[in-house]
Amino acid sequence: EVQLLESGGGSVQPGGSLRVSCAASGFTFSSYAMGWVRQAPGKGLECVSGISGRGGSTYYAESVKGRFTISRDNNTLYLQMNSLRADDTAVYYCAKWAGQWLIQGFFDYWGQGALVTVSS
Amino acid sequence: EIVLTQSPDFQSVTPKEKVTITCRASQSIGTSLQWYQQKPDQSPKLLIKYASQSFSGVPSRFSGSGSGTHFTLTINSLEAEDAATYYCHQTSILPYTFGQGTKLEIK
Repeated sequence: EVQLLESGGGSVQPGGSLRVSCAASGFTFSSYAMGWVRQAPGKGLECVSGISGRGGSTYYAESVKGRFTISRDNNTLYLQMNSLRADDTAVYYCAKWAGQWLIQGFFDYWGQGALVTVSS
Repeated sequence: EIVLTQSPDFQSVTPKEKVTITCRASQSIGTSLQWYQQKPDQSPKLLIKYASQSFSGVPSRFSGSGSGTHFTLTINSLEAEDAATYYCHQTSILPYTFGQGTKLEIK
């Protein structure tokens, strides 16, 4: 059974940093691309970042480029978030891609989410 | 960026009713279109992949169709547990985008 368990959410002041993690199990982690999708309170879904199965290829939405860094290691996916702004406030979902590369596929399994609140 | 527009934004329906949700893309995306169901305080769950293929374990009352720029999600014989927000998601061209969501309320 595929399981994705996020951790590391919390409250941070504008300009601060936070790292969210996603522990994966139930599948061969290095064989699948992974991504982070966020959902602001009461809003829709936004793909913010993705990484290929072996980590050699990454993607960032324009809204987070230069501030967020995605990485993966030992069955864990990470999202390092720097220079956080109020509009980064959201639930951050870890999601498994149905293939090695972030192309010609889809997100098939999602974690339960980690809430990140950016406020002074 | 490809814009996905869903209709309606909200629908109140009765059990056993048939529901159709539409998703229109701002340019052709072939069949690279998925449908997700999100219940309150839960993460999204995949219902349909590649426009019309049911994902494992999804009840047969959910079906999808379409290609190019026009897609539909159909729920036959709606059940109370289908109360949720439904999102379409295109994975044809980066950035991969979502529709704004359609909220289904069960009367």
